[in-house]
Amino acid sequence: SQQGEEDPQALSIQEGENATMNCSYKTSINNLQWYRQNSGRGLVHLILIRSNEREKHSGRLRVTLDTSKKSSSLLITASRAADTASYFCATIVGAQKLVFGQGTRLTINP
Amino acid sequence: DAGVTQSPTHLIKTRGQHVTLRCSPISGHKSVSWYQQVLGQGPQFIFQYYEKEERGRGNFPDRFSARQFPNYSSELNVNALLLGDSALYLCASSFRTEPRAFFGQGTRLTVV
Repeated sequence: SQQGEEDPQALSIQEGENATMNCSYKTSINNLQWYRQNSGRGLVHLILIRSNEREKHSGRLRVTLDTSKKSSSLLITASRAADTASYFCATIVGAQKLVFGQGTRLTINP
Repeated sequence: DAGVTQSPTHLIKTRGQHVTLRCSPISGHKSVSWYQQVLGQGPQFIFQYYEKEERGRGNFPDRFSARQFPNYSSELNVNALLLGDSALYLCASSFRTEPRAFFGQGTRLTVV
């Protein structure tokens, strides 16, 4: 079963615009991670936010976490063609079992 | 340093056959996990091994098995392949119990 659910499932924007993706999860967490996947290849870790943090930045990425609503958002500013990918949120259940949502497919149009 | 390496990259098998997928973790990483990703969905957890012991198992049938070797590399075995086993199989390694996972490029398995 999926722990996280991303919204929207697909997003298409123009290059230079900002992209926002949302994630909801079901159980209490210690941290939440976001990963990127290009064209069905391996996942790349983007950012981790801990349960006691509300916002975190990394370059053009901004992640927020609202534990009361069990939700997180990923904002990519000034999007580029290279940002075209699928984005997944993931939480940890048990030892190191990552539970992923279905992902948001982001397309950046030139 | 080399990242997580998986072999083979692509594989075509016939229903009923057996398959072995291999994974080498990042040097120093003792935790290896396996995930199955069906087209259009997020990865689903299959197994986790740490220090050569199974530490977690997902909701997969007994046809799926895995092991970790003394050098921390790992194999995923799937017996009696079904068409529904067609997927991208991802291996991830982690340093001790750190939450961040490093993924390989995956093995694309097609069962015909």
